[in-house]
Amino acid sequence: EAGVAQSPRYKIIEKRQSVAFWCNPISGHATLYWYQQILGQGPKLLIQFQNNGVVDDSQLPKDRFSAERLKGVDSTLKIQPAKLEDSAVYLCASSPGTGYGYTFGSGTRLTVV
Amino acid sequence: GNSVTQMEGPVTLSEEAFLTINCTYTATGYPSLFWYVQYPGEGLQLLLKATKADDKGSNKGFEATYRKETTSFHLEKGSVQVSDSAVYFCALGGGGADGLTFGKGTHLIIQP
Repeated sequence: EAGVAQSPRYKIIEKRQSVAFWCNPISGHATLYWYQQILGQGPKLLIQFQNNGVVDDSQLPKDRFSAERLKGVDSTLKIQPAKLEDSAVYLCASSPGTGYGYTFGSGTRLTVV
Repeated sequence: GNSVTQMEGPVTLSEEAFLTINCTYTATGYPSLFWYVQYPGEGLQLLLKATKADDKGSNKGFEATYRKETTSFHLEKGSVQVSDSAVYFCALGGGGADGLTFGKGTHLIIQP
């Protein structure tokens, strides 16, 4: 089966600019996650979708980050405006549901200068 | 809240050495426990998992046992290879389709 697809692979922007990342989960996976992985740290959950509804966005900085999952399939994560500390790898993962585990995409590496 | 603590790296070993990477956790309820591996330039891959106390997860010669009494899930391998060089992450999930809580990762370097 095809894996979790993410684009772009790399992005460099200046601070205060906006950026968007895209994720296409494995077909049929109801649950989709966005994680932020800062260099030298483990991934941190930003937001979890179940189909097209938000289950958990408690760690999403909502003043600058937003995410949507149109029609319960692919998803976009947006940052506006970006800050230097947003430099990280943004990982998307999907899961078919309870007990089935998670599959991660290769991530988008964002550098804010 | 949930948290995961794993040993700091880098851990440097010679080929064929015995490996242990310590992982302890704090969680409410009965979480599932995972080890993920990230090879250079690649994404996170599930290495092994355990869903209840005393379960042993194993894959590619790696093993970890879910120890509820010590809240631990230490990763072990009897004889490491150069190809095992990677960053290893311990993680816990709150059950169901909940998001994962990760440790900071342990960078493993195997020298020939």
